Amino acid sequence: QLVLTQSPSASASLGASVKVTCALSSGHSSYAIAWHQQQPEKGPRFLMKLNSAGSHTKGDGIPDRFSGSSSGAERYLTISSLQSEDEADYYCQTWGTGIEVFGGGTKLTVL
Amino acid sequence: QVQLQQWGAGLLKSSETLSLTCAVYGGSFSGYSWSWIRQPPGKGLEWIGEINHSGSTNYSPSLKSRVTISVDTSKSQFSLNLNSLTAADTAVYYCARSDDLGLLDSWGQGTLVTVSS
Repeated sequence: QLVLTQSPSASASLGASVKVTCALSSGHSSYAIAWHQQQPEKGPRFLMKLNSAGSHTKGDGIPDRFSGSSSGAERYLTISSLQSEDEADYYCQTWGTGIEVFGGGTKLTVL
Repeated sequence: QVQLQQWGAGLLKSSETLSLTCAVYGGSFSGYSWSWIRQPPGKGLEWIGEINHSGSTNYSPSLKSRVTISVDTSKSQFSLNLNSLTAADTAVYYCARSDDLGLLDSWGQGTLVTVSS
């Protein structure tokens, strides 16, 4: 069964960097994912697509501070030079066998 | 740049049917699949189902018995019907576009649907 696992929360200081992790379930380590950001009281916003090789394609207007990488069954979203507006929920998402799957989301707090 | 604009009734009663429509502007309609996703208050994202331009659908197993997604390619629109509503269906509903890998890359603005008893 295809499952995406995310830590419920993460935190980092203003101006620092943070890495958010999405883990693919066993047998699905080759899958590409997408990362989405949801700021408080707003709808989701597409950030990037990320494949198993770590190559990523960002959405329109997404700052260079956002990048993606991969290692095995894990997919990462790294945000550098954290700003207050980066405080948000981050979701990973993929597709398999006729269904879309979302991770549970990671709530990022900027200290 | 593609834009998705959605609309539909926001306040419904138990047992009624939810109907939402999403219009696609500024991009190809036939090269993608089109999804509905919902988010109950304070919770995460839940996929409802998807349709492609030829009308082929996939639905979430947990909602399949109550969901119908349809498409009108002449208008670049797709629609969601969810019947037999209960309070548990109260959520913000989003439409979205997905690519050939099933990765979502564009979202509608969302519609809050409240189901009252």
